[in-house]
Amino acid sequence: DAKTTQPPSMDCAEGRAANLPCNHSTISGNEYVYWYRQIHSQGPQYIIHGLKNNETNEMASLIITEDRKSSTLILPHATLRDTAVYYCIVPYNNNDMRFGAGTRLTVKP
Amino acid sequence: GAVVSQHPSWVICKSGTSVKIECRSLDFQATTMFWYRQFPKQSLMLMATSNEGSKATYEQGVEKDKFLINHASLTLSTLTVTSAHPEDSSFYICSARDRGIRTEAFFGQGTRLTVV
Repeated sequence: DAKTTQPPSMDCAEGRAANLPCNHSTISGNEYVYWYRQIHSQGPQYIIHGLKNNETNEMASLIITEDRKSSTLILPHATLRDTAVYYCIVPYNNNDMRFGAGTRLTVKP
Repeated sequence: GAVVSQHPSWVICKSGTSVKIECRSLDFQATTMFWYRQFPKQSLMLMATSNEGSKATYEQGVEKDKFLINHASLTLSTLTVTSAHPEDSSFYICSARDRGIRTEAFFGQGTRLTVV
């Protein structure tokens, strides 16, 4: 079973920031948090990952709470092409890539 | 990001035949590859994890004699669906993890298998 829980769906207005939460209360000290997204009928796309510190790349920002029990993926300016299912993954021992149900993000014009 | 190529993108086969799906890491060496199956409107279900040169570790409920996984090199893993039946029709996806310092896994584009 996945070690994460996410809301099943979210909406976001185009151009606004999309904030996707993830709970991972059983995370261990050396386990990373990974985020992927899947657009319909494609393989998942890597977005970002982190351990303790907040991370930012060209796609998104990842905010991890100090106790590491939850995190938030931020898409700063959502576009219609960001509509997808977003998966937060905490692999057991950093090797067990199991997917939960994810969050279906719908970006609306 | 790194590139993982999966082939074929789609395949239709007759019931009782076998189908092989290839997963290649194009610009990195993959010590670990993962195989998933995804049914419509569901999440990805991990089928097996394979490490280069070792036998694959199958998830509970996945028949290892039906879903043959070979990870003979650092850039290639194959999944063979043997004696396919219509209920094996699904979207099969592989992913590969770099042997180096990068820890993220990269995914292929998936293979849509239809068994008729």
